Amino acid sequence: SQQGEEDPQALSIQEGENATMNCSYKTSINNLQWYRQNSGRGLVHLILIRSNEREKHSGRLRVTLDTSKKSSSLLITASRAADTASYFCATAPYGNNRLAFGKGNQVVVIP
Amino acid sequence: KAGVTQTPRYLIKTRGQQVTLSCSPISGHRSVSWYQQTPGQGLQFLFEYFSETQRNKGNFPGRFSGRQFSNSRSEMNVSTLELGDSALYLCASSLGSGQGEQFFGPGTRLTVL
Repeated sequence: SQQGEEDPQALSIQEGENATMNCSYKTSINNLQWYRQNSGRGLVHLILIRSNEREKHSGRLRVTLDTSKKSSSLLITASRAADTASYFCATAPYGNNRLAFGKGNQVVVIP
Repeated sequence: KAGVTQTPRYLIKTRGQQVTLSCSPISGHRSVSWYQQTPGQGLQFLFEYFSETQRNKGNFPGRFSGRQFSNSRSEMNVSTLELGDSALYLCASSLGSGQGEQFFGPGTRLTVL
């Protein structure tokens, strides 16, 4: 089954800097989603990009999708201490909700 | 709208026991999916229910089962608990199957002793 894989897995940055995370996957997808998780709590949905889209913005988030390379990136601009969390990409196949998650990126934003 | 709720939030059980976890989706959402999260295996799909029918099942043994009620609330059951079943169990709801964003609950932390 397909599985997203994020790279890098741990990132430590200063407040105000940008954070970039990458994700690759193996099979065709309907959409790709990014989630945030704080300290083992529930996942918060950040953004969804469909397979026919190349770039999407939401506030300080920018997501790109390259289906030819089967990869996606998440950019968080002007990071804040509250952005400290684990970030997961997840791919969704056509016709069902079976998300395949990557291992996650741990992002620490230092005030 | 109220978010996804899961009960209980924490559970401690011993090996061999069984456990039932509950999930109430967002009002109007008909699809409920369950995931297991462990440090070693990460987030893994358990199953998805839509309109009271199981639509998908992940690679978990038969000890893991679930069901969905007519009001879209869902339960999952784990029988004959093993130490390796200790995990955060997350449920997610969405409007339909394959239609986009899934909204997750806070999870149930299960510890098996």
